[in-house]
Amino acid sequence: NAGVTQTPKFRILKIGQSMTLQCAQDMNHNYMYWYRQDPGMGLKLIYYSVGAGITDKGEVPNGYNVSRSTTEDFPLRLELAAPSQTSVYFCASSYNPQLNYGYTFGSGTRLTVV
Amino acid sequence: KQEVTQIPAALSVPEGENLVLNCSFTDSAIYNLQWFRQDPGKGLTSLLLIQSSQREQTSGRLNASLDKSSGRSTLYIAASQPGDSATYLCAGGATNKLIFGTGTLLAVQP
Repeated sequence: NAGVTQTPKFRILKIGQSMTLQCAQDMNHNYMYWYRQDPGMGLKLIYYSVGAGITDKGEVPNGYNVSRSTTEDFPLRLELAAPSQTSVYFCASSYNPQLNYGYTFGSGTRLTVV
Repeated sequence: KQEVTQIPAALSVPEGENLVLNCSFTDSAIYNLQWFRQDPGKGLTSLLLIQSSQREQTSGRLNASLDKSSGRSTLYIAASQPGDSATYLCAGGATNKLIFGTGTLLAVQP
């Protein structure tokens, strides 16, 4: 059981470039999330999805886009990368948090924009 | 605004001590509380999940409590070991998201 898998683990982007952070889970979880973690700060929610075909904005969605075409995959797209997007990005999933199921996190993608 | 606060921000203890990490939250809409461990440069590992109907959960040397009426949760670590050194994060479960505290950096000295 692989859990939540994120790729790549590290990436350096130049300002203005674009990239997609991949996230896949094999636990048949309906809910998936993207968080970013900045030094000294708590994790902030970027986007989330409650099921295939459904996505919604979190606290800090500007500069990002997501899609959820399958239950397993939830990619995060960065368009026109900016230095402010330098961060560690975590993908997470849950079967149903409202029914008190916990969250499982991936190992993260460390992104630097120069 | 929903907030989760962790005190202390950093803690250093000698090996073998029992210790308590504190987490407080301002929103009664938080319906469960999850504690995570994060090692440097790594992802989050779930330690304990306390559901809304529970008061505490135990796993090995770890015990977490939840008091929704006062907006507090504690993580108790018994007989601390150097391998417990990490950042501990609490997160409140709210509608469609987890609300994270900024963490407590724990160092257990051999």
